Amino acid sequence: AQSVTQLDSHVSVSEGTPVLLRCNYSSSYSPSLFWYVQHPNKGLQLLLKYTSAATLVKGINGFEAEFKKSETSFHLTKPSAHMSDAAEYFCVVSYLYNQGGKLIFGQGTELSVKP
Amino acid sequence: GAGVSQSPRYKVAKRGQDVALRCDPISGHVSLFWYQQALGQGPEFLTYFQNEAQLDKSGLPSDRFFAERPEGSVSTLKIQRTQQEDSAVYLCASSYGLAGGEDEQYFGPGTRLTVT
Repeated sequence: AQSVTQLDSHVSVSEGTPVLLRCNYSSSYSPSLFWYVQHPNKGLQLLLKYTSAATLVKGINGFEAEFKKSETSFHLTKPSAHMSDAAEYFCVVSYLYNQGGKLIFGQGTELSVKP
Repeated sequence: GAGVSQSPRYKVAKRGQDVALRCDPISGHVSLFWYQQALGQGPEFLTYFQNEAQLDKSGLPSDRFFAERPEGSVSTLKIQRTQQEDSAVYLCASSYGLAGGEDEQYFGPGTRLTVT
């Protein structure tokens, strides 16, 4: 089965320090990969997506992610955390030619940002 | 512009009751998805519509779950004889094109269903 694994359920950083949220996916087919953010009591918002173009993808709010096929990874990074980044982050995979394009979510990583 | 809207935002049902959850997608979006998000988990796919056609319902957990999109716009997710394990947030998402893995899916705020 196609799947995505987020390696940390909770990450805590200090404001102004780098953020790293880790994600690995299964590699049966060429995937599209996404990171979504979910703030409390708000809808899911797309941060960025990879769809077989450039392997380094830049998203909103200073986030970026690098697609590494050899490692089957799609880790999310940000150079300097801000208090407003505190939220739940989901790594998501979609397979064009299998699964019908539906999104398959990881379990989520809760990011806490300390002042 | 208007995003995806869902109603009601909160629903409390007694075990055994039927519920209906509504989704209004972004106007003109062809594809519509329903997901179920249990507490502390990532969303899980339930079903997919392309216009009015339900092309994938592989994620529906039982035959108590039924979804429709009769005119290719508004969709309703119906749960019959609700059980406690149905308690979750139900998310609706729509995308402009056909489900092909690349189009962004825009999510609504969800309906939080609590079955007592």
